[in-house]
Amino acid sequence: EIVLTQSPATLSLSPGERATLSCRASQSVAIYLAWYQQKPGQAPRLLIYDTSKRATGIPARFSGSGSGTDFTLTISSLEPADFAVYYCQQRMNWPLTFGGGTKVEIK
Amino acid sequence: EVHLLESGGGLLQPGGSLRLSCAASGFTFNTYAMSWVRQAPGKGPEWVSRVSETGDTTHYADSVKGRFTISRDKSKNTVYLQMNSLRVEDTAIYYCAKIEAGNYFVDWGQGTLVTVSS
Repeated sequence: EIVLTQSPATLSLSPGERATLSCRASQSVAIYLAWYQQKPGQAPRLLIYDTSKRATGIPARFSGSGSGTDFTLTISSLEPADFAVYYCQQRMNWPLTFGGGTKVEIK
Repeated sequence: EVHLLESGGGLLQPGGSLRLSCAASGFTFNTYAMSWVRQAPGKGPEWVSRVSETGDTTHYADSVKGRFTISRDKSKNTVYLQMNSLRVEDTAIYYCAKIEAGNYFVDWGQGTLVTVSS
């Protein structure tokens, strides 16, 4: 099973700041990594897939990069709606796995 | 607009059985694989199971293999998750999700809560 480790667990930032979230895989997932955003009481929402492709309707301030085992989600300038929990997910191998999440909170 | 509506959750004792349903609309159902993803209270999502577009191929997480069965009915545009031998650790919100671009979860339902407790 591919284990995804996200860091940091919590990121405290102010609106307008840049957020950089990390996801490290226990073995290579090539480019087959996605990022999801989840707000309290809601289902996760797909933001980025295949490392860097934005899902439909996702603003350009969200971007993804990386390959192999190290990946980054960047939010260029945080807006109030962006404070949430973010998860990465790999589709390289069965079972499909998620990371433990990074909470982006208001400083 | 894609709409996924889960139902069938509830409270039951360890060892019990439950069948979840997911009614799909707003897309051509038999051209997309579907999955169940669960989320225990305060935890991250955990993929549970996937069924192919035709229903011929299924995959399961090790934690549910042999106890859960995923299926789909194209005449009803519905995906099912039959859960047997339920354990306390199966307690979670169970989401139905539409799969695209390989095995990513593009659209999600609102979830149905399953609580297993004695």
